[in-house]
Amino acid sequence: DGGITQSPKYLFRKEGQNVTLSCEQNLNHDAMYWYRQDPGQGLRLIYYSQIVNDFQKGDIAEGYSVSREKKESFPLTVTSAQKNPTAFYLCASSSSGRVGETQYFGPGTRLLVL
Amino acid sequence: EDQVTQSPEALRLQEGESSSLNCSYTVSGLRGLFWYRQDPGKGPEFLFTLYSAGEEKEKERLKATLTKKESFLHITAPKPEDSATYLCAVQASNTGKLIFGQGTTLQVKP
Repeated sequence: DGGITQSPKYLFRKEGQNVTLSCEQNLNHDAMYWYRQDPGQGLRLIYYSQIVNDFQKGDIAEGYSVSREKKESFPLTVTSAQKNPTAFYLCASSSSGRVGETQYFGPGTRLLVL
Repeated sequence: EDQVTQSPEALRLQEGESSSLNCSYTVSGLRGLFWYRQDPGKGPEFLFTLYSAGEEKEKERLKATLTKKESFLHITAPKPEDSATYLCAVQASNTGKLIFGQGTTLQVKP
């Protein structure tokens, strides 16, 4: 079955620690995205990538970093500079990243701070 | 500024009681309006994409419509399994980014 997988489902971060969230897709999509979801707010774009080895900042990129070494994978690192990391993180992909394309979402990772 | 507002924030219906969810938007050059369903603790599931005013799409008990200022998600004779949060998002031609509303949480009681 084609789809997007995210791991882990739950992740706990200690003070000052960097953590990495995994996102893998087997849809053969070129474009991938990371969103953050907080209660009572709409999804907000963190980073996106339309091609391997290239990515752009979204609206709330501070305290986050990404890489795109393979078409199938787009990991997100939450660094210690992100002071309020507790949220539900969603990875999405679309065929080419062209305007008007539908984005499909993974199951999400919930990040909690210890 | 591009903006999406969904109303109501929460909606409780009895099984079989039809209703509509609203998504109002202001955007420079609409390139697509998207509806998603999200169950608690899960990722959004794609429902519909609408591109131009007057367009309508249907899926089972759901029907999405689009005007130049808003979209409606009509739910006909809902069942308890339709309970979820429904998200609306628009994509503007100037930025290409998806802008999401806060969602409407629907509860359908048997």
